[in-house]
Amino acid sequence: RKEVEQDPGPFNVPEGATVAFNCTYSNSASQSFFWYRQDCRKEPKLLMSVYSSGNEDGRFTAQLNRASQYISLLIRDSKLSDSATYLCGLPRDNYGQNFVFGPGTRLSVLP
Amino acid sequence: EAGVVQSPRYKIIEKKQPVAFWCNPISGHNTLYWYRQNLGQGPELLIRYENEEAVDDSQLPKDRFSAERLKGVDSTLKIQPAELGDSAVYLCASSPPGFGQPSYEQYFGPGTRLTVT
Repeated sequence: RKEVEQDPGPFNVPEGATVAFNCTYSNSASQSFFWYRQDCRKEPKLLMSVYSSGNEDGRFTAQLNRASQYISLLIRDSKLSDSATYLCGLPRDNYGQNFVFGPGTRLSVLP
Repeated sequence: EAGVVQSPRYKIIEKKQPVAFWCNPISGHNTLYWYRQNLGQGPELLIRYENEEAVDDSQLPKDRFSAERLKGVDSTLKIQPAELGDSAVYLCASSPPGFGQPSYEQYFGPGTRLTVT
């Protein structure tokens, strides 16, 4: 298994829909996880940190499933402005050494 | 609050030429990262600094890449000589102090888009 895997998409959803995508990781001892959002030709921006079972911020919910080694990002009531690539990332090992990103999942919210 | 500053934003050079990128992190952020991002891929970490010490550089191609962070503030990444495969976006990020280890809540600069011809 690769260190971090994501379905590249694209996920095409209508405005107002709920969409979720997953990020699987190989290091079972990972303790912290991060979702970043990256708009086309822009830099990644931190969306959410996940340190325990999950985190919620408005329409965005991140959940951690340690048994199956994945984190998910749920977006409710999708807006056109949510269209972006969503990257997940985590430290590479138990000592906080290095940091690895997945390839990202592209989301397009359609009018 | 000012964000991470990078320069130049764009650079076009011929292969075998040297190139340098500069980054100034957010004030108070002791951790600084350099990433390379190719089209359609996630950022790949090249080197991470804790203050002025390089603590993660296993992904840095040391035959042609070098980096420094004198005085633990701004940083420079250099490629000499550049190859065609070095064309990518080079991103700098910084993060505030964590508790015992980096927080990894990273704030990215706009990046430098390098084209090697």
